[in-house]
Amino acid sequence: NAGVTQTPKFQVLKTGQSMTLQCAQDMNHEYMSWYRQDPGMGLRLIHYSVGAGITDQGEVPNGYNVSRSTTEDFPLRLLSAAPSQTSVYFCASRDRAYSNQPQHFGDGTRLSIL
Amino acid sequence: DAKTTQPTSMDCAEGRAANLPCNHSTISGNEYVYWYRQIHSQGPQYIIHGLKNNETNEMASLIITEDRKSSTLILPHATLRDTAVYYCIVRVANTNAGKSTFGDGTTLTVKP
Repeated sequence: NAGVTQTPKFQVLKTGQSMTLQCAQDMNHEYMSWYRQDPGMGLRLIHYSVGAGITDQGEVPNGYNVSRSTTEDFPLRLLSAAPSQTSVYFCASRDRAYSNQPQHFGDGTRLSIL
Repeated sequence: DAKTTQPTSMDCAEGRAANLPCNHSTISGNEYVYWYRQIHSQGPQYIIHGLKNNETNEMASLIITEDRKSSTLILPHATLRDTAVYYCIVRVANTNAGKSTFGDGTTLTVKP
């Protein structure tokens, strides 16, 4: 059981490039989310999804797009990368949207924008 | 979701109990308290959660005050591997999405 898998683990981009961060879970979880973590800070919610075909914004959504075409996958797209998006990105999932169960996190993608 | 307040850092001697406090004075009746930890920039790891009653699992104990305005995570016998950032989060579980907001957490350093 792989849990939450994020790819790639590391990525360097130039300003203005686009990229998709991949997130997949094999636990049949309804709820999935993306966070970013800047150095020395806590996690901030970017976007989340309560099920296939449904997404919504978190507290820092600008510059990012998401889609949820399947239960398993929740990719995060940077349309035009900016140095301010240099961060570590974590994907997480939970069994159901309306649940008291905890989230399971991936190992993160470390992204640098030059 | 209610906001939480945690000390920035704490030290603990190896083998002793680590008691990590969290203040959530604006918690509402349907909000759960969750604890996660993050070791060396890995993904956050779930530790324990509770609503009203004290909880215990193989990793830790969670003590929630009767008025639910604060809680304490207890690691009964801290080891060097417990050095991490510990996050206390409150979240409504039974409404739309129940977004989790992570603050800056407490950096726990376990010393030999």
